[in-house]
Amino acid sequence: QKEVEQNSGPLSVPEGAIASLNCTYSDRGSQSFFWYRQYSGKSPELIMFIYSNGDKEDGRFTAQLNKASQYVSLLIRDSQPSDSATYLCAVNGATNKLIFGTGTLLAVQP
Amino acid sequence: EAGVTQFPSHSVIEKGQTVTLRCDPISGHDNLYWYRRVMGKEIKFLLHFVKESKQDESGMPNNRFLAERTGGTYSTLKVQPAELEDSGVYFCASSQADSPYNEQFFGPGTRLTVL
Repeated sequence: QKEVEQNSGPLSVPEGAIASLNCTYSDRGSQSFFWYRQYSGKSPELIMFIYSNGDKEDGRFTAQLNKASQYVSLLIRDSQPSDSATYLCAVNGATNKLIFGTGTLLAVQP
Repeated sequence: EAGVTQFPSHSVIEKGQTVTLRCDPISGHDNLYWYRRVMGKEIKFLLHFVKESKQDESGMPNNRFLAERTGGTYSTLKVQPAELEDSGVYFCASSQADSPYNEQFFGPGTRLTVL
């Protein structure tokens, strides 16, 4: 079992819809959870992080964390074509290193 | 504020040659990390510096890889001699020492191709 698992996609949603990206992790001791957006050939860009159970909202983005289920998700409301990218889930492991999933490719159709 | 920068952006070398990658973290960030993504796989941790000290190098593949951070500013990652399996994208990230959640900011990466 991988430490951080994501569906590789592609996840295709129409413009204006809600995109839901999911991630599960195996280490119950994980403390912080991050979502990065990566456009092709570019650096991973930090868009959200969450450390407490529940929801955290920032603009069109909402991160959700359920530590009991070892599950973290990212919702993107009013999806735009410019949101099309790979979304990487990362978990803060021992000694602060990040453990990444393989990423989910999101395609927003105009 | 300038972000994390890396040089070169691309490097193509032959098996057995040496390559040195450079990373300049965000100014004032004491934490510096190296990660690598090989084709089709997830980004994986290589090592972590706090200032000039190696905090964790558990992800370094073998002794062909040498990372340094003299003076606690920029860092270099040398691969000597390079092998085919070293091909991939090498990312550098940095974070503030006093950040409670250790948000890490990534550079654009160096794409290394070993022929």
